[in-house]
Amino acid sequence: KAGVTQTPRYLIKTRGQQVTLSCSPISGHRSVSWYQQTPGQGLQFLFEYFSETQRNKGNFPGRFSGRQFSNSRSEMNVSTLELGDSALYLCASSPSSGRGNEQFFGPGTRLTVL
Amino acid sequence: GQSLEQPSEVTAVEGAIVQINCTYQTSGFYGLSWYQQHDGGAPTFLSYNALDGLEETGRFSSFLSRSDSYGYLLLQELQMKDSASYFCAVRDNYGQNFVFGPGTRLSVLP
Repeated sequence: KAGVTQTPRYLIKTRGQQVTLSCSPISGHRSVSWYQQTPGQGLQFLFEYFSETQRNKGNFPGRFSGRQFSNSRSEMNVSTLELGDSALYLCASSPSSGRGNEQFFGPGTRLTVL
Repeated sequence: GQSLEQPSEVTAVEGAIVQINCTYQTSGFYGLSWYQQHDGGAPTFLSYNALDGLEETGRFSSFLSRSDSYGYLLLQELQMKDSASYFCAVRDNYGQNFVFGPGTRLSVLP
């Protein structure tokens, strides 16, 4: 079974631009979560989607948004990029939502904002 | 709010046993998970405790005490490849937000 894939793997943008990151979960997994990882703040939860609906949202500004498609693939969008948005963005999938379900992480997208 | 605390660094030698502690403060606690992340890699799931007690998976064991809001990951027969960061994580707010601890960097020396 193929793992979680994320595209692109690396991205360089400038302040004020917007970016869209893509995540394809493991086949059959309906839950997709997004995380931001930085050396200073660690792993922070952005949001979770299940069956095309946003189930949970972390404490991030409205510039961060996402969506999930009927095939469970998910995208996240960051508008009006700031220098502080430079981070590794990780996507994780699991068979269902809630409780302590094991999450399977993708390799991440390394975003650099100049 | 919710918070988790872990030691920032632990060092041990090959073949030894090491314990990584995690204390948490959350609402609507829904179990404690552990993840391993090698440098440049993605986090990988190690274990999950929903109830008090010890869960064993090969060389790794995880323990939870809900009354003490405390858990630990025990790594036995340490190998060089165990050098990585280890994160505890909880689902709180009644299964809503997923919160990770700051991570413990384990260095295994020969």
